Amino acid sequence: GQQVMQIPQYQHVQEGEDFTTYCNSSTTLSNIQWYKQRPGGHPVFLIQLVKSGEVKKQKRLTFQFGEAKKNSSLHITATQTTDVGTYFCISIGGGADGLTFGKGTHLIIQP
Amino acid sequence: NAGVTQTPKFRILKIGQSMTLQCTQDMNHNYMYWYRQDPGMGLKLIYYSVGAGITDKGEVPNGYNVSRSTTEDFPLRLELAAPSQTSVYFCASSKTIEAFFGQGTRLTVV
Repeated sequence: GQQVMQIPQYQHVQEGEDFTTYCNSSTTLSNIQWYKQRPGGHPVFLIQLVKSGEVKKQKRLTFQFGEAKKNSSLHITATQTTDVGTYFCISIGGGADGLTFGKGTHLIIQP
Repeated sequence: NAGVTQTPKFRILKIGQSMTLQCTQDMNHNYMYWYRQDPGMGLKLIYYSVGAGITDKGEVPNGYNVSRSTTEDFPLRLELAAPSQTSVYFCASSKTIEAFFGQGTRLTVV
């Protein structure tokens, strides 16, 4: 996979506040995938973005792929306790490749 | 539809023992992966396979071995367990886009 950096590593929010995590690359990405891992659980696929400037929504979650395809963001509106977990972004290279995950962003929600 | 099945769910090993973590998928996926995840950290790729008979090293392959004799199975072998291998191990499979993960194996080496 292509290397991406994700920030922040940890984010504390009050329940009801918004949350955003960012993925950045120094090179153009062919695609970006987002996964969520709940505490004690396994990663679950959320979405894939492939087009420049692409925006996709899943209920309170908004995913964006930058115009230059070098960055991506996940925004959660009005966080709920069910949003707690770690969010990972990865980029898949073409052909034979391993899926390489970074450290992700840990979202901690205070009621 | 079972998806990706990992066994066992929990295991305690003594230093120097060996064991095999089993992973089976019933989705006819070509790609399979093994990861380890230490507490509070991301997933580190140990080995992966793009199809039966083909395996390749990931970021942290030392101390592990894999085989892929069938499309369905991708076992991970620990030959001489060390405390540094205490971790949660995840197996995953994919076809084109989405990767599906197993429930994980929590391994403790004492």
